[in-house]
Amino acid sequence: DIQMTQSPSSLSASVGDRVTITCRASQGIKNDLGWYQQKPGKAPKRLIYAASSLQSGVPSRFSGSGSGTEFTLTISSLQPEDFATYYCLHHNNYPRTFGQGTKVEIK
Amino acid sequence: EVQLVESGGGLVQPGRSLRLSCIASGFTFGDYAMSWVRQAPGKGLEWVGFIRSKAYGGTPEYAASVKGRFSISRDDSKTIAYLQMDGLKTEDTAVYYCSREAVEPAGKYDFWGQGTLVTVSS
Repeated sequence: DIQMTQSPSSLSASVGDRVTITCRASQGIKNDLGWYQQKPGKAPKRLIYAASSLQSGVPSRFSGSGSGTEFTLTISSLQPEDFATYYCLHHNNYPRTFGQGTKVEIK
Repeated sequence: EVQLVESGGGLVQPGRSLRLSCIASGFTFGDYAMSWVRQAPGKGLEWVGFIRSKAYGGTPEYAASVKGRFSISRDDSKTIAYLQMDGLKTEDTAVYYCSREAVEPAGKYDFWGQGTLVTVSS
């Protein structure tokens, strides 16, 4: 099984900060990765697909990069509505696996 | 408008069975694989399994944690995906979400249901 190691597990940041979250795959997964935002009590929402493609309707402050084994999600200027938990998900083979999540909290 | 609506959750005793349903609308259901993802209270997301579209054999794949106990099926005529859960354990307590998975990346896990809570307890 492919393991997705996500870091950090949590971070504190201020509005306007640049935030970077990383997922590392235990083996190469090309660009078969998506990033998701989840707020308490809600379903996940896709932000990025194919590692770097922005989901329609998602603000351009969100961006994704990487391929192979290392991937990043960047929020260029953190907004109040961005405080949430973020997950990566690979779909290269089976089973699909999620990263452990990164909780972004207000400093 | 794409919609996925899960139902069938509830309180069940350990060792018993439960069947969840995911009713889909707003897209060509038969063109998509359908997946189940769960989230235990206060924990992260866990992929449970999926079922391929009929064009790709209609066969399922499962996470190791549920293989042999859970089974996924689909009824394309009713646009419903099912998650049959047998031999439930307390650690299966979670919110269960369904999502769709297209062949192309743009259609993978792009829409999700609201989730249904399964509580396994005596």
